[in-house]
Amino acid sequence: GEDVEQSLFLSVREGDSSVINCTYTDSSSTYLYWYKQEPGAGLQLLTYIFSNMDMKQDQRLTVLLNKKDKHLSLRIADTQTGDSAIYFCAESGSQGNLIFGKGTKLSVKP
Amino acid sequence: GAGVSQSPSNKVTEKGKDVELRCDPISGHTALYWYRQSLGQGLEFLIYFQGNSAPDKSGLPSDRFSAERTGGSVSTLTIQRTQQEDSAVYLCASSSLGGYGNTIYFGEGSWLTVV
Repeated sequence: GEDVEQSLFLSVREGDSSVINCTYTDSSSTYLYWYKQEPGAGLQLLTYIFSNMDMKQDQRLTVLLNKKDKHLSLRIADTQTGDSAIYFCAESGSQGNLIFGKGTKLSVKP
Repeated sequence: GAGVSQSPSNKVTEKGKDVELRCDPISGHTALYWYRQSLGQGLEFLIYFQGNSAPDKSGLPSDRFSAERTGGSVSTLTIQRTQQEDSAVYLCASSSLGGYGNTIYFGEGSWLTVV
């Protein structure tokens, strides 16, 4: 079935790079997404990548996709305390919905 | 509106009571989704509406849960005879088209607490 896995916690120091990893199962997913959820708030679309791309860069964010291994990563350069949040990886499911992972809680220490 | 709007933002209800949660999607979006997020858990898919097609109800956890979408716009999620395990954030989302390759936009969520 469709499933998305990601590690639950990541802790980094301010100014370092953060790398959040995700694996997914549905090889037919056309798009893969990263959503951010700040404390007490809803989900915010951070970035997405089309499945025929290997990499997408958007300011401090870099998304890498290894379609063969069904592995997606999100790199945040120069991580700031404001980046502390839960980051959800998602794949487009066969029914038209999004299948989400459990989320990775990123803690940024000053 | 500019974004997905949900109401109420917070709801405390007694066990056994029915609750209704409302979602107003982004204007023109044909696809509407309901997800549930329990404390410390990921997002659990509940139901998906796409245009005039029959909704995908495969994620609804029990027959106490139902949802409707009137006129292809506003949706109401109803939970009957609420239980404590129903306490969660209920998130609504919409997109311009269902299926692959569509960005889904979320509302702020309705925080439900069953006491």
